[in-house]
Amino acid sequence: DVVMTQSPESLAVSLGEGATINCKSSQSVFYSSNNVNYLAWYQQKPGQPPKLLISWASTRESGVPDRFSGSGSGTDFTLTISNLQAEDVAVYYCHQYYSLPRTFGQGTKLEIK
Amino acid sequence: EVQLVQSGTEVKKPGESLKISCKGIGYNFLNYGIGWVRQLPGKGPEWMGVIHPGDAQIRYSPSCQGLVTFSADKSITTAYLQWTSLKASDTAMYYCARQEPGGLLGNYWGLGTLVTVSS
Repeated sequence: DVVMTQSPESLAVSLGEGATINCKSSQSVFYSSNNVNYLAWYQQKPGQPPKLLISWASTRESGVPDRFSGSGSGTDFTLTISNLQAEDVAVYYCHQYYSLPRTFGQGTKLEIK
Repeated sequence: EVQLVQSGTEVKKPGESLKISCKGIGYNFLNYGIGWVRQLPGKGPEWMGVIHPGDAQIRYSPSCQGLVTFSADKSITTAYLQWTSLKASDTAMYYCARQEPGGLLGNYWGLGTLVTVSS
């Protein structure tokens, strides 16, 4: 199985500041034949299902504020949230869909400082 | 509008059987897989597997293989997750999600079915 390791486990950031969440996969999730990374980021708020923010490592989903951006390739990925808003308080998960079984990171809890 | 509508909360005893459902609405049910995701209390999501209603192809996570069964009824655009003998450790929230081309669990998720197994 591809193990997804996120850091940090929790993060407290002031409103208006930026937050960076890292995700490392135990093997590459880059598929060279189509030049894409099979890596997604989800946001989950209490009592709700995960919400897809970023797919293919860096493609922001429709309706997701441009404060959210994804980067990285191969085994190392980053979710960056700029200008933190109160509604960004949530748990964030990375997820690989490169190979079976699909796997998620353990989550990063983002709070307001 | 695309929706995945899941069945309601279940409270069961250990050893009982259970079948929960996920109805796909507003899209061609045969063209997309339905993934099942488990979330234990206070934990992260765990991919259980996927069923493709169009060709009945199924993939289970090794951690779920033999413990649950996926099925689908194309005539009523509904996917199912079934247990024959529940354990207390099956207590969790279960989500279904539409699998997009490429294998991504995308923008369409059910609200979840909470399953509680307790004697």
